[in-house]
Amino acid sequence: QVQLVESGGGVVQPGRSLRLSCAASGFTFGSYTMHWVRQAPGKGLEWAALITYDGTKQYYADSVKGRFTVSRDNFENTLSLQMNSLRVDDTALYYCARDGISGGDDAFDIWGQGTMVIVSS
Amino acid sequence: AIQMTQSPSSLSASVGDRVTITCRASQDIGNELGWYQQKPGKAPRLLMYATSSLQGGVPSRFSGSGSGTDFTLTISSLQPEDFATYYCLQDYNYPWTFGLGTKVEIK
Repeated sequence: QVQLVESGGGVVQPGRSLRLSCAASGFTFGSYTMHWVRQAPGKGLEWAALITYDGTKQYYADSVKGRFTVSRDNFENTLSLQMNSLRVDDTALYYCARDGISGGDDAFDIWGQGTMVIVSS
Repeated sequence: AIQMTQSPSSLSASVGDRVTITCRASQDIGNELGWYQQKPGKAPRLLMYATSSLQGGVPSRFSGSGSGTDFTLTISSLQPEDFATYYCLQDYNYPWTFGLGTKVEIK
């Protein structure tokens, strides 16, 4: 079935790096724009980044711009998020999500279960 | 960045009630707005996109309306499984931005 599975979360000290992955299955991964959305504990949703279907364009939230890099491997059906210079306020559950609406509209129709990142000394 | 002001932040309602949640954008976003439902410990679920297009599998008691800066999600007759937190999201331009959420609780 259509599925996204995130991995790579953990506990990391401020200033260090972490790389998250999202494995896609059950659909033609290379046909879809993909996103990262995060949610701090007890807080709301925050859109973090996107990468177009072919990997040629990336966009970031101001809060992560210059520190996070989104990439994809359409042969391995994998989305990645390289997070550098991590800060305490990056602590959150990180979701990958598919932008799956056709016809020019956008929306996150498929979500993973999330992977938790805790930034703490 | 476009700011999305969602109201109320929480509400208490009974099964069968009609519930309305609003989202106001800080600038014109056309119809580029979606609504998501999130239950505790679960990933969000898409309810509505492009303001009023119902995602497949979502019950017809959910409806969306609005354009420009003011948008509404309506649940015509609240059901027990609808108690959750709801978020709007503008996808008009980057960075995409969510509202802060509306928690719908049982009265």
